[in-house]
Amino acid sequence: DIQMTQSPSSLSASIGDRVTITCRASQSISSYLNWYQQKPGKAPKLLIYAASTLQSGVPSRFSASGSGTDFTLTISSLQPEDFAAYYCQQSYSTLYTFGQGTKLEIK
Amino acid sequence: QVQLQESGPGLVKPSETLSLICTVSDGSISSYYWSWIRQPPGEGLEWIGNIYYSGSTNYNPSLKSRVTISLDTSKNQFSLKLSSVTAADTAVYYCARQYSNIWYNWFDPWGQGTLVTVSS
Repeated sequence: DIQMTQSPSSLSASIGDRVTITCRASQSISSYLNWYQQKPGKAPKLLIYAASTLQSGVPSRFSASGSGTDFTLTISSLQPEDFAAYYCQQSYSTLYTFGQGTKLEIK
Repeated sequence: QVQLQESGPGLVKPSETLSLICTVSDGSISSYYWSWIRQPPGEGLEWIGNIYYSGSTNYNPSLKSRVTISLDTSKNQFSLKLSSVTAADTAVYYCARQYSNIWYNWFDPWGQGTLVTVSS
């Protein structure tokens, strides 16, 4: 299995802050990396696919980069609706695996 | 815009079989891969398996001996069966479409999820 490790596991930030979440793969996955946002009681929502491509309709304050084993998701200026959990997911292997999640909370 | 909706019992007894259906609307099931993913309360996401519109399947090895995913194209549905359940199988179960371009694939959209509790 390809293990996906996110850091931090939780993060407190304020409206307007710039935040970065990191995802590391246990082996190289090229750019086969997706990011999802999950709000309480809701299904995950796709934000980014292929490591850096913004899904249609997702605000441009979200961006992502990386390849190989190290990836980042950045929110340039936090908005109230951004407080949620974020998950990375690799699609390099057909045994798809997710990171453990990063919970973004209001400071 | 394709939509997915899970349905099935919310309570299953230990050792019995969990059965869920995902209904696809506003789009045809006759293309793409279709996946099941679960999330135990307060925990992360685990991919269970998928099925291609042709009927071929892939399963998570950790669950493979207990999982069956099947497709009913006439009803635009696909289903999940998980046998010999224990309390560890208590989770919100999501169905999702696996969308892909030539090189990459991702899960979008997802159903709203359904909580299945394993308890006597």
